[in-house]
Amino acid sequence: SQQGEEDPQALSIQEGENATMNCSYKTSINNLQWYRQNSGRGLVHLILIRSNEREKHSGRLRVTLDTSKKSSSLLITASRAADTASYFCATDGQGAQKLVFGQGTRLTINP
Amino acid sequence: NAGVTQTPKFQVLKTGQSMTLQCAQDMNHNSMYWYRQDPGMGLRLIYYSASEGTTDKGEVPNGYNVSRLNKREFSLRLESAAPSQTSVYFCASSLDRSPLGEQYFGPGTRLTVT
Repeated sequence: SQQGEEDPQALSIQEGENATMNCSYKTSINNLQWYRQNSGRGLVHLILIRSNEREKHSGRLRVTLDTSKKSSSLLITASRAADTASYFCATDGQGAQKLVFGQGTRLTINP
Repeated sequence: NAGVTQTPKFQVLKTGQSMTLQCAQDMNHNSMYWYRQDPGMGLRLIYYSASEGTTDKGEVPNGYNVSRLNKREFSLRLESAAPSQTSVYFCASSLDRSPLGEQYFGPGTRLTVT
């Protein structure tokens, strides 16, 4: 069963704009992770945020976590063409000892 | 460091044929994983290995077997391939013995079963 679900499924913006994508999950978690996947490549880890953290930054990336709403958001500021990729959230699945990935948000940055 | 490497990159099989997908990591990681990625389905865990000599089933283990040959290598075997196994297969590794930590992914193997 799906633990994390990303929204929107697809997002297209102009270069330089900010991109925000969201992840909602169903049950309590230990941590939530965001990964990026460029077309035809493997996933690359971006950020891990623990359940007792509310916000984390990494360069142009900002991740927030709201455990009361069971949701997280990934903000990419000042987007670049190279940010074009699919972005996945992953959470520990309903107490099971494994990561469960959402279906991803496909982000397109237009020049 | 090469990170996580997978061979082959592409493979076409006929129904009923067998093959082994190879994965190796050079990061001295403890845990290794096999996922499959299908359109619109996200990644699904097939098997994982928290340490040498141990393997555990994931979400979709049927039709697959794995071997953790040593700390570096984790192979995935399809004994009798079926069209439903057409997918992109990713190997991953993590330093943590728990599968809940940061994972490093290989480039994937695109498998088509006709």
